[in-house]
Amino acid sequence: AQTVTQSQPEMSVQEAETVTLSCTYDTSESDYYLFWYKQPPSRQMILVIRQEAYKQQNATENRFSVNFQKAAKSFSLKISDSQLGDAAMYFCAYRSAKGSYKYIFGTGTRLKVLA
Amino acid sequence: GAGVSQSPSNKVTEKGKDVELRCDPISGHTALYWYRQRLGQGLEFLIYFQGNSAPDKSGLPSDRFSAERTGESVSTLTIQRTQQEDSAVYLCASSLEFGLAGGEQFFGPGTRLTVL
Repeated sequence: AQTVTQSQPEMSVQEAETVTLSCTYDTSESDYYLFWYKQPPSRQMILVIRQEAYKQQNATENRFSVNFQKAAKSFSLKISDSQLGDAAMYFCAYRSAKGSYKYIFGTGTRLKVLA
Repeated sequence: GAGVSQSPSNKVTEKGKDVELRCDPISGHTALYWYRQRLGQGLEFLIYFQGNSAPDKSGLPSDRFSAERTGESVSTLTIQRTQQEDSAVYLCASSLEFGLAGGEQFFGPGTRLTVL
C-alpha cells in the first residue's frame, strides 16, 4: 500500500524568506500524481501545486515550486517570498494514475509565517 | 454557488444517535470523495463515488458508516449509533476528471461533528 510521510509537524519562516516543506512517499507504481494542498484556519482545502510522475520537469506555480526526486520518492514544496497569507497546514498527497483513485494524504506540516 | 457545499457546518449529537451529513458537489463533477479529519491529523479516506460505478468503500471504518450518492448529484454520509471517536471534521471533495491527468479535487468547507 502507498504511504505518504511528512516528517515536519511544524515549520516557521520569516516574511519574505524561503521555506521548504518535505514529503516522502512509498509506492511500487511508476505512474502516479503528487499534490500539495493548503488548509488555512478556515479549513477550506486548496490545491497549491500538482506534479505528474512521468514529467521530469518540476512543477511551478508563481511563488510555489516543487523538487520532485522520483528515484528517492521525495516531493518537497518550496515557498519563496513567504507572505503572511501562506500560514496554513500543508498536506502532501499521492494518487495512483491507474487502478484505485484514492488520494493518500500525509499528516501535514503547520507553517507559521513571522512578521 | 460554484463550489462544493456541505451541511450542516457543525453538528453536536449524543452518543448512540444517528447523523446524516450532506455534500453538494460542483455541478458536472463525476467523482465525489468523503474524508475524515480528526483534530490535528491528516485526511483519512472514507469512500469515493465515480459516476454509476460501484463506490470504493474501502476506507469506511466500520459498518456504522455508510454513504449514498444519486447519479452525479448530492451525497449523504450516514453514521449510525455515533461514538465519541467519531468526533471529527468530515470533508467532501469533488472532481471533474477521473482516470485522466490527476483531476484536482475541490473541497467543501467540512462538517464538524461532535459526539458528546
